[in-house]
Amino acid sequence: DAGITQSPRYKITETGRQVTLMCHQTWSHSYMFWYRQDLGHGLRLIYYSAAADITDKGEVPDGYVVSRSKTENFPLTLESATRSQTSVYFCASKSLSEGTEAFFGQGTRLTVV
Amino acid sequence: RKEVEQDPGPFNVPEGATVAFNCTYSNSASQSFFWYRQDCRKEPKLLMSVYSSGNEDGRFTAQLNRASQYISLLIRDSKLSDSATYLCVVNMKTGRRALTFGSGTRLQVQP
Repeated sequence: DAGITQSPRYKITETGRQVTLMCHQTWSHSYMFWYRQDLGHGLRLIYYSAAADITDKGEVPDGYVVSRSKTENFPLTLESATRSQTSVYFCASKSLSEGTEAFFGQGTRLTVV
Repeated sequence: RKEVEQDPGPFNVPEGATVAFNCTYSNSASQSFFWYRQDCRKEPKLLMSVYSSGNEDGRFTAQLNRASQYISLLIRDSKLSDSATYLCVVNMKTGRRALTFGSGTRLQVQP
């Protein structure tokens, strides 16, 4: 199916565990983004990628790692999950073309206990 | 100062009312502008792009004022289904600012 998909949709994990959130898009968009959204904070950029093998930090990168070996995939890893990382995570993609919209995955609701 | 600022609201309006939201951005080199809608922490979805000359889509009108660096969204004849959070989005050409979101303005339309 065309589009951008995130998996899993829901995840509960324990403090200290490593967890990876997956994001896959079928448009070959150059840009991909990871955001977290907490009540009262809006969308905060964690990491972004302008192309395969090019990634850079956003506003709140601490405790997260990303990779982009293929254009279509942009996994986000929490190396050692903490309760403060309980959040809703959204992945987005966008083409390089000016003035084009970004598309979002349905989100992953992560709870760290 | 945040790069994109919005009044968080909530705006509580009766059905049929006209409501307007503003958004200001700090970077004069910003190139393109959008309004997104988000329901109950679901994924944001594009509502409309914002063009320099202003544009309309049904009951929704968007305006851009580059000199004052603000964007507006006007909703006429509000419906219950318009209740959502409206996110202002500013795009730069490259880098992390390729997609910069405001924190959103919450609208609650009441019967």
